[in-house]
Amino acid sequence: GQQLNQSPQSMFIQEGEDVSMNCTSSSIFNTWLWYKQDPGEGPVLLIALYKAGELTSNGRLTAQFGITRKDSFLNISASIPSDVGIYFCAGPWNYGGSQGNLIFGKGTKLSVKP
Amino acid sequence: EAGVAQSPRYKIIEKRQSVAFWCNPISGHATLYWYQQILGQGPKLLIQFQNNGVVDDSQLPKDRFSAERLKGVDSTLKIQPAKLEDSAVYLCASSFYPGSYNEQFFGPGTRLTVL
Repeated sequence: GQQLNQSPQSMFIQEGEDVSMNCTSSSIFNTWLWYKQDPGEGPVLLIALYKAGELTSNGRLTAQFGITRKDSFLNISASIPSDVGIYFCAGPWNYGGSQGNLIFGKGTKLSVKP
Repeated sequence: EAGVAQSPRYKIIEKRQSVAFWCNPISGHATLYWYQQILGQGPKLLIQFQNNGVVDDSQLPKDRFSAERLKGVDSTLKIQPAKLEDSAVYLCASSFYPGSYNEQFFGPGTRLTVL
């Protein structure tokens, strides 16, 4: 079945640093979504990508839809303490040639460097 | 606008006991989803409702899990009997349109611990 692989699994950030993470799939996706989940809360949508090669920004966040349609990248510039959390990529699960519901990666956990 | 409400926020039970979770979606949202999120994993869809009808329950373990949305608004997810591997956060989400991946709003979840 379809799987989304996220890397890195976790990373430590220091305020002001830029952060990069990515998501890959063995199958083609037509939509890529990036969510952030804070402790004790549900995921919140950050950025949605709908077209191969698309580059979309939301404040300090920038995400790209890979040309192969099998990967996506999320960058956070000049990180701040409230960026801490778990970031998930997600996409609609394809079955029988039609798009179904969302599948999620395992997440990249951002923590503050001690 | 009020968000998706879930209760209880936390529940601890012993294996083989039963448990139920409640969800109240955003007003006017016809589509409701239940997800299971095991520690260290992303959410996994269990069931999707469109109004009071089931659209997709292909990943719901039907031997022990059941869900209903009788009046097309609130929903209840039940586990009977619970197993240790059911320990997870159960998230409810809603959207105005069916298949609106980018417009799903999630509740805070119910954290279930099965001992």
